[in-house]
Amino acid sequence: AAGVIQSPRHLIKEKRETATLKCYPIPRHDTVYWYQQGPGQDPQFLISFYEKMQSDKGSIPDRFSAQQFSDYHSELNMSSLELGDSALYFCASSLGVDRGVEKLFFGSGTQLSVL
Amino acid sequence: LAKTTQPISMDSYEGQEVNITCSHNNIATNDYITWYQQFPSQGPRFIIQGYKTKVTNEVASLFIPADRKSSTLSLPRVSLSDTAVYYCLVGFSGSARQLTFGSGTQLTVLP
Repeated sequence: AAGVIQSPRHLIKEKRETATLKCYPIPRHDTVYWYQQGPGQDPQFLISFYEKMQSDKGSIPDRFSAQQFSDYHSELNMSSLELGDSALYFCASSLGVDRGVEKLFFGSGTQLSVL
Repeated sequence: LAKTTQPISMDSYEGQEVNITCSHNNIATNDYITWYQQFPSQGPRFIIQGYKTKVTNEVASLFIPADRKSSTLSLPRVSLSDTAVYYCLVGFSGSARQLTFGSGTQLTVLP
């Protein structure tokens, strides 16, 4: 069965650079979530999209932005990178809460290292 | 959003049954309880979900008492490969699309 695809798998950037992470949800899933997980930390919710519109916002820095495109894939754009942005970034998708109880499917994540 | 409390860590031996309890005192009427498993450097993986009483699937059981203020994930006959972090999450109410992870339980299965 198709899963959530994230790219790239690993990304190395310098301070103050920009990064773009991509997420391709499971086909027919209309909701995408982004999470950040630092070393030894629990996943922190960043932002979610439903039907290409921003749905909820968590602890996402102003330097980050995200969007969901017409084909439902999503991109997380990160600017002015800081050392503290080094983390594993997960994308998850679901069919959306309107269809019942939410069940999230996570991708394998993008490991971002800021040097 | 309902806050959850779980033990930080648990140890078990292969072949034993493991029960991990989660407290969620302010669970809302429409909230479901969901458990996820996470291995290092991998995304969380759905294990089981329930609303009340007992739910069982091929990998686990979920026990929820009548007051729903807690829940217990039961893993039968654990193996070394069950060593992972287990998260209890409570949601969703209404149109909220924000699933918040609390501090999970690091389960270590010993030989």
